[in-house]
Amino acid sequence: GQQLNQSPQSMFIQEGEDVSMNCTSSSIFNTWLWYKQEPGEGPVLLIALYKAGELTSNGRLTAQFGITRKDSFLNISASIPSDVGIYFCAGFNMEYGNKLVFGAGTILRVKS
Amino acid sequence: GAGVSQSPRYKVAKRGQDVALRCDPISGHVSLFWYQQALGQGPEFLTYFQNEAQLDKSGLPSDRFFAERPEGSVSTLKIQRTQQEDSAVYLCASSLGGATYEQYFGPGTRLTVT
Repeated sequence: GQQLNQSPQSMFIQEGEDVSMNCTSSSIFNTWLWYKQEPGEGPVLLIALYKAGELTSNGRLTAQFGITRKDSFLNISASIPSDVGIYFCAGFNMEYGNKLVFGAGTILRVKS
Repeated sequence: GAGVSQSPRYKVAKRGQDVALRCDPISGHVSLFWYQQALGQGPEFLTYFQNEAQLDKSGLPSDRFFAERPEGSVSTLKIQRTQQEDSAVYLCASSLGGATYEQYFGPGTRLTVT
């Protein structure tokens, strides 16, 4: 089946630093989404991307839909302690069924 | 308005017991999804409803898993004769309709089978 590979698996950064993470697949997706999950809660939708090459921002978050449709990137600028959590990428392609395919997540820890 | 709610939030079951997990989607959302999340992993698709119709149940791991949404709103995921490998967080998500990729998740039910 389709798999999404997220890297890095975890990162520990200083408050104020910029963060980059990515998500790659051998399969093509037509929509990419980024979610954040905190302990004991469900994933919260951060950004949705609909077109190859698209760059979309949501506050300090910026995400890009890779031109090959097989990858996506998320950047967080000027990180703050509340950015702590697990960031998941998810892909959608109706050819694989009406469902989201998730990566295993990137754990973000921020030193204040 | 209210988001997706799930109950119970935590459930401990002895191996062999049946459990029922409830999901209340966002009002007016046509599509409803169930996912299973193992520790340290991303959510994995179980099943999908459009209104009351279960259109995809390809992710259900065995015939011990059963889901229903009889009136097109609240959904129940039932697991019969629970096994230890069923221990996971069960997440419910809903979406407005056509754009079913924009899914909004509930807080999940953490199931522990002892």
